[in-house]
Amino acid sequence: NAGVTQTPKFQVLKTGQSMTLQCAQDMNHEYMSWYRQDPGMGLRLIHYSVGAGITDQGEVPNGYNVSRSTTEDFPLRLLSAAPSQTSVYFCASSPKTGTGGQPQHFGDGTRLSIL
Amino acid sequence: AQSVTQPDIHITVSEGASLELRCNYSYGATPYLFWYVQSPGQGLQLLLKYFSGDTLVQGIKGFEAEFKRSQSSFNLRKPSVHWSDAAEYFCAVGAYYGGSQGNLIFGKGTKLSVKP
Repeated sequence: NAGVTQTPKFQVLKTGQSMTLQCAQDMNHEYMSWYRQDPGMGLRLIHYSVGAGITDQGEVPNGYNVSRSTTEDFPLRLLSAAPSQTSVYFCASSPKTGTGGQPQHFGDGTRLSIL
Repeated sequence: AQSVTQPDIHITVSEGASLELRCNYSYGATPYLFWYVQSPGQGLQLLLKYFSGDTLVQGIKGFEAEFKRSQSSFNLRKPSVHWSDAAEYFCAVGAYYGGSQGNLIFGKGTKLSVKP
């Protein structure tokens, strides 16, 4: 049982380039989310999905796109990378219940640098 | 709006000493509360969670936390710290209602250093 798998672990991009951060989970969790972690800022929610075909914006969605075509996968796309997007990105998943409040399972993160 | 405050950015304790990390939350109803730990270069690992019931919850690695509704607090404690506890600790509150179920709001974290 791999849990939440993120690829790549490290990436360096040039300003203006695009790329996709991959996230896959094998726990059949309905809920998936993307966070970015910056020093002194904690984790901030970028986008989330409550099931296949359903996505919504979090706190800091600008510059990022997501889609959820399957339960397992939730890729995060940077359309035109900017230095302000240099960060560590975490994907997380949790089961969705009628009352929410389930703890999230986190991947190991993708460390992204934009030059 | 929901928010989480961790007042201490960095705490240093001696190995074997007791530890308390503070967390205050703002939420309109009974919250779901979590503590996560992050070792350098790693993802976040759940230490413990509070949903309802007993206000003192036990977690992994000898940690516990107490929910105090009157103080809007959920402080993390450990009676005797080990060098391996050096890490960053995050408090989080979970949404209860509607489409945002599953969203977590995180505090900015408290970095724990342990002196030998």
